[in-house]
Amino acid sequence: QKEVEQDPGPLSVPEGAIVSLNCTYSNSAFQYFMWYRQYSRKGPELLMYTYSSGNKEDGRFTAQVDKSSKYISLFIRDSQPSDSATYLCAMSEGSGAGSYQLTFGKGTKLSVIP
Amino acid sequence: EPEVTQTPSHQVTQMGQEVILRCVPISNHLYFYWYRQILGQKVEFLVSFYNNEISEKSEIFDDQFSVERPDGSNFTLKIRSTKLEDSAMYFCASTTDTYSNQPQHFGDGTRLSIL
Repeated sequence: QKEVEQDPGPLSVPEGAIVSLNCTYSNSAFQYFMWYRQYSRKGPELLMYTYSSGNKEDGRFTAQVDKSSKYISLFIRDSQPSDSATYLCAMSEGSGAGSYQLTFGKGTKLSVIP
Repeated sequence: EPEVTQTPSHQVTQMGQEVILRCVPISNHLYFYWYRQILGQKVEFLVSFYNNEISEKSEIFDDQFSVERPDGSNFTLKIRSTKLEDSAMYFCASTTDTYSNQPQHFGDGTRLSIL
């Protein structure tokens, strides 16, 4: 079963706070992990893309993957009101050939209060 | 920055009518996808398309759905006889290739409302 669980929130934090967003999954075949940001009435916008376990940092964003626990996280440092959006985790098995469908979490709605 | 574009942004259709949703993927991308998101639910995979044929499809993608790449730039999703439950946001996505596992980039979607 390709299930991805994500707390839908909503999550409300003051500006400047560190935000932690998480997803758990059950399919041990997932190898590729993504975080997308979705503003209201817009499509998912790729934020972070990681392969297998480990950390990846890009500016204020850090993605962590723990495959042994089937747990991924996104940290946002120094959060800004412009970070207010829904954050979607997504993952795929990534066969390396042909297509690879994404399985999404439900998304966490984040509000950063000035 | 190159982007995936989708038209129309909003489509209102009577139940039972045919609808065609259009997408222009990023120009050097080779793999194309359709996803849908029913209000308040997860984004769900519908179909993937490569080299002018379907690569994978989900159980949602039944005989009422079809995809086509009619020319070198457009990628379309057709629903033959729409049902109320087809009301959703439909997202097109594309990627350069999957051998190097490049991520998918999404358009802003078409909101389909079935009356």
